[in-house]
Amino acid sequence: DAGVIQSPRHEVTEMGQEVTLRCKPISGHNSLFWYRQTMMRGLELLIYFNNNVPIDDSGMPEDRFSAKMPNASFSTLKIQPSEPRDSAVYFCASSWAGSNTEAFFGQGTRLTVV
Amino acid sequence: AQSVAQPEDQVNVAEGNPLTVKCTYSVSGNPYLFWYVQYPNRGLQFLLKYITGDNLVKGSYGFEAEFNKSQTSFHLKKPSALVSDSALYFCAVRDGGNSASKIIFGSGTRLSIRP
Repeated sequence: DAGVIQSPRHEVTEMGQEVTLRCKPISGHNSLFWYRQTMMRGLELLIYFNNNVPIDDSGMPEDRFSAKMPNASFSTLKIQPSEPRDSAVYFCASSWAGSNTEAFFGQGTRLTVV
Repeated sequence: AQSVAQPEDQVNVAEGNPLTVKCTYSVSGNPYLFWYVQYPNRGLQFLLKYITGDNLVKGSYGFEAEFNKSQTSFHLKKPSALVSDSALYFCAVRDGGNSASKIIFGSGTRLSIRP
């Protein structure tokens, strides 16, 4: 398996533009997590899905952020409109069913909003 | 609510010496505990986990961790550090009482091994 695949790896955009980050989880995994990593706030859980259904989105910072998982093999995280303070590395991770399983991380998307 | 605390931002150890990276947790159900490592410009890599059973768990690259229920701790250890162990280490917890719980990470500890 190729692991969790995220795209793009790097994204530079202007303030106010829409940004879409993409994630393909490991085949067979049915939990998917979106995290944001910054120096100031560390690794924050934004939202997670179980069987394509959002379970907890309490970490989504504002209405500008939205996430979808239309099927078991694809998820998106969208920021509209983007702001400079959204600059961070965004990670997607997936795991098998059950809380006794570890999550596998993608390589991340480094987002810079100028 | 669940949370993880890593009290040390940085740990410095000489190569060949033992190392310990500290982690304490809080969770309402049974704790499922994990350690991950992150190298520069990479995603997090799984090292080891505690689910049940023996309190001492062994993982990748010679790392081990000890679960202590009374102290709610899960410290990462290695008997003899290598320069290549230098990286950012994260402790994480899931609530075992929830069949599909979220994974919460600590703030991370930067481990620096000097030659």
